[in-house]
Amino acid sequence: EVQLVESGGGLVQPGGSLRLSCAASGFTFSSYWMSWVRQAPGKGLEWVANIKQDESEKYYVDSVKGRFTISRDNAKNSLYLQMNSLRAEDTAVYYCTISATARGGVDYWGQGTLVTVSS
Amino acid sequence: DVVMTQSPLSLPVTLGQPASISCRSSQSLVHSDGNTYLNWFQQRPGQSPRRLIYKVSNRDSGVPDRFSGSGSGTDFTLKISRVEAEDVGLYYCMQGTHWPWTFGQGTKVEIK
Repeated sequence: EVQLVESGGGLVQPGGSLRLSCAASGFTFSSYWMSWVRQAPGKGLEWVANIKQDESEKYYVDSVKGRFTISRDNAKNSLYLQMNSLRAEDTAVYYCTISATARGGVDYWGQGTLVTVSS
Repeated sequence: DVVMTQSPLSLPVTLGQPASISCRSSQSLVHSDGNTYLNWFQQRPGQSPRRLIYKVSNRDSGVPDRFSGSGSGTDFTLKISRVEAEDVGLYYCMQGTHWPWTFGQGTKVEIK
C-alpha cells in the first residue's frame, strides 16, 4: 500500500524557518518525480514545487522561489521542503504527492501538515 | 502563468439530478508531446485531494462512471450524471501542461 506521511508543520514567526518531511512507502520512491502542493485555510490548491528523481531538476512557483528548497533522500525514501523567510501568506496545509498525478500517472497524496506563520 | 477559471463556484444540486462544472484555461493545454494534461480533482471535507479524471476524459480507477470529463484546447467540462450524497465537496480542474502547474478556484458542490 502506498503511503505518504508528512510531518514537521507547526507555528512559526514571520521570517522564521521550518523543514517539512514526507516519508514515502509502498512504491519505488527513487523512480518518481515528487511534489509539494499547499492549501491556505479555506482557500484553493497551489502547486508549490517539483523535484526530479536524481535532484537534477527542481521547479518552484514564483511565490516561493528563493525562499523554499525542495530536496529528497532516496536512501531514506523521504522528501523535504526547507522553508525560509516565512510569511503569513505561507500559512497552509502542505501536501506531499507524486508529480505523475498531474500527467496521468499514479495519484497518491499525503494527509498534509499544517504550517502556521504568525507572531 | 496559465489561469484556470471555473464556473460556477457554487453548485447546489438536487440528489439524483445532473451537475456540470466548466473550466477554461488562459492558453491551450495541448503539450508538445501531444497530450492535454487537464485533470479534475475532488476534495471532500477534511480530506486530501483525489483525482477523478486525467488527460481530459480518462476516469481513474474506482471512480464511479457517473463522473465524466470532456473538452479540448482551452475549454473543459466535468459532468456528474446523477449526483449522490457522497459527491458533496470541492472540485478543482488542474493543468499539468505548463509550469507552474495551476488549479482552478474550486467549485463547491452541495445538496439542495
